[in-house]
Amino acid sequence: DAKTTQPTSMDCAEGRAANLPCNHSTISGNEYVYWYRQIHSQGPQYIIHGLKNNETNEMASLIITEDRKSSTLILPHATLRDTAVYYCIVRHYNTDKLIFGTGTRLQVFP
Amino acid sequence: DGGITQSPKYLFRKEGQNVTLSCEQNLNHDAMYWYRQDPGQGLRLIYYSQIVNDFQKGDIAEGYSVSREKKESFPLTVTSAQKNPTAFYLCASSRDTEAFFGQGTRLTVV
Repeated sequence: DAKTTQPTSMDCAEGRAANLPCNHSTISGNEYVYWYRQIHSQGPQYIIHGLKNNETNEMASLIITEDRKSSTLILPHATLRDTAVYYCIVRHYNTDKLIFGTGTRLQVFP
Repeated sequence: DGGITQSPKYLFRKEGQNVTLSCEQNLNHDAMYWYRQDPGQGLRLIYYSQIVNDFQKGDIAEGYSVSREKKESFPLTVTSAQKNPTAFYLCASSRDTEAFFGQGTRLTVV
């Protein structure tokens, strides 16, 4: 199973872009990369996902390297409400398992 | 509205008693999952099911049991064999590239 590694914590000033990295060096060809965030022990909230192309939605952008071994979640204008734990997940193509990474605790400060 | 419902939100049980956590989804998702989260920790996979009447163990299945008699339902039983059952339990479901989480059940065993 592909595993992910993320920095334990990051800080970001309000209004600036938050760039959260994720390493998934053992990802296989049909596995998707998902990003979720969890605010204070609520259920994780879906942010974005991608296979190999960069993706953008109203919440964030996802940049996946050409070799697919790493990705970056970008919150273009972080707000205090974006303070949360962000999880990078690899979706196993054959078993549908959602394998969580360690998560990055993002603190947005005024 | 479609979604995943976990009930109850808070649950208290005496040590040695089995307890069943409910998870229902009306999203027509094929796969369903149970995760456990301990304070300050990430999510660990307990069990998952890809189709009705089939399920597989995750990383920490010992002391837990599940059933998948209906597509919409994936109840988790925490048995007396689980040594440290107090935790936050999250249910999720997915189909193709969609994956969504419930709001969780906080189980406290006293």
